[in-house]
Amino acid sequence: EIVLTQSPGTLSLSPGERATLSCRASQSVGSNYLAWYQQKPGQAPRLLIYGASSRATGIPDRFSGSGSGTDFTLTINRLEPEDFAVYYCQHNAQGLTFGGGTKVEIK
Amino acid sequence: EVQLLESGGDLVQPGGSLRLSCVASGFTFSSYAMSWVRQTPGKGLEWVSSFSSNGVSTYYADSVKGRFTISRDNSKNTLYLQMNSLRAEDTALYYCARVYSHYFFDLWGQGILVTVSS
Repeated sequence: EIVLTQSPGTLSLSPGERATLSCRASQSVGSNYLAWYQQKPGQAPRLLIYGASSRATGIPDRFSGSGSGTDFTLTINRLEPEDFAVYYCQHNAQGLTFGGGTKVEIK
Repeated sequence: EVQLLESGGDLVQPGGSLRLSCVASGFTFSSYAMSWVRQTPGKGLEWVSSFSSNGVSTYYADSVKGRFTISRDNSKNTLYLQMNSLRAEDTALYYCARVYSHYFFDLWGQGILVTVSS
């Protein structure tokens, strides 16, 4: 089973700052099989990025994804108040698992 | 409106059974693969099972294989999860999710709580 490790566990930032979230896979997942989700309290996850770098429908362009192989990054430029949430990565190469999440909180 | 609505969650004793349902609306249900994903505070998000759009293939996480059965009724736009031999570790919020592209999840229900406890 491919394990996804997300870091940091918590990111404390102010609105307007840039957030950089990391997702590292225990073995290569290529570049087509990695997604990022946002989850707010009491809500279901929402797909942000798929195929490592493609934005899902309706996702603002301040969200961007990059990476391939084992190292992936979600970048949120100019944090808006509604962006403070928990973010998960997910792969579907050789099985399907989620990372443990990164909480982006208001500093 | 495009949405998924789960039902059937309950408190059940260990060893018991439960069937979850997920009714889809606002899109062509039969054209999509569908999945169940569960979430717990301790283990986070865990994929449980998927049913392909071709109506033939089913997939299960090792943790539920042999105990859970996924099915779908395209005439009713409904996805099901039959859960047997339930264990305490199956306690979770269960989400129904629509599959997009390479098994990403682009539409989620609101979730339904399953509690396994004596």
